[in-house]
Amino acid sequence: KAGVTQTPRYLIKTRGQQVTLSCSPISGHRSVSWYQQTPGQGLQFLFEYFSETQRNKGNFPGRFSGRQFSNSRSEMNVSTLELGDSALYLCASSLDGDPGNTIYFGEGSWLTVV
Amino acid sequence: AQSVSQHNHHVILSEAASLELGCNYSYGGTVNLFWYVQYPGQHLQLLLKYFSGDPLVKGIKGFEAEFIKSKFSFNLRKPSVQWSDTAEYFCAVLNSGGYQKVTFGIGTKLQVIP
Repeated sequence: KAGVTQTPRYLIKTRGQQVTLSCSPISGHRSVSWYQQTPGQGLQFLFEYFSETQRNKGNFPGRFSGRQFSNSRSEMNVSTLELGDSALYLCASSLDGDPGNTIYFGEGSWLTVV
Repeated sequence: AQSVSQHNHHVILSEAASLELGCNYSYGGTVNLFWYVQYPGQHLQLLLKYFSGDPLVKGIKGFEAEFIKSKFSFNLRKPSVQWSDTAEYFCAVLNSGGYQKVTFGIGTKLQVIP
């Protein structure tokens, strides 16, 4: 079956702009989470959604937001982009977010802010 | 808050050498432990996981990890590395009840020289 799909794969934005990233989880998976990966900070948890509800949130400013649709697809949005937002944004999905379920990662969206 | 420490950020080994990557976490409650691998240009993949039971966990590609509760450690081992093991390895911890809020270590880049 298809894995976690993220679009776009690469994008360049200017400071102050906003960006929306999309994630399609594995079919049947209802839990979707987002992570930011940077060389200096590693992988940091952004938020997790299940059944269109945000269940968990990491320590990121309010400029970072997300949502989940009824088909479990998810989007994350970053407003008023800063240079430090340049990173690989990873989406991950699992059946229901239970620790017993394996989490599968997408290939990520590379965001460069100039 | 949970934190994960990976002691070696960059490891260089010759083929057939033995590998041990250290990982320590801070939270003392019930945890689920993972090692993920990211091969160059590829997405994160699960190597192995520990939830309960035998503290010695075997994963894919000959990797294993040992959970030592008293030391808050979950070190990754492989008796004989191959050039194809060149990748970045991430230790990760999921607290019980934390849904998908996985805390990752900073990662260890392993370079295997033929």
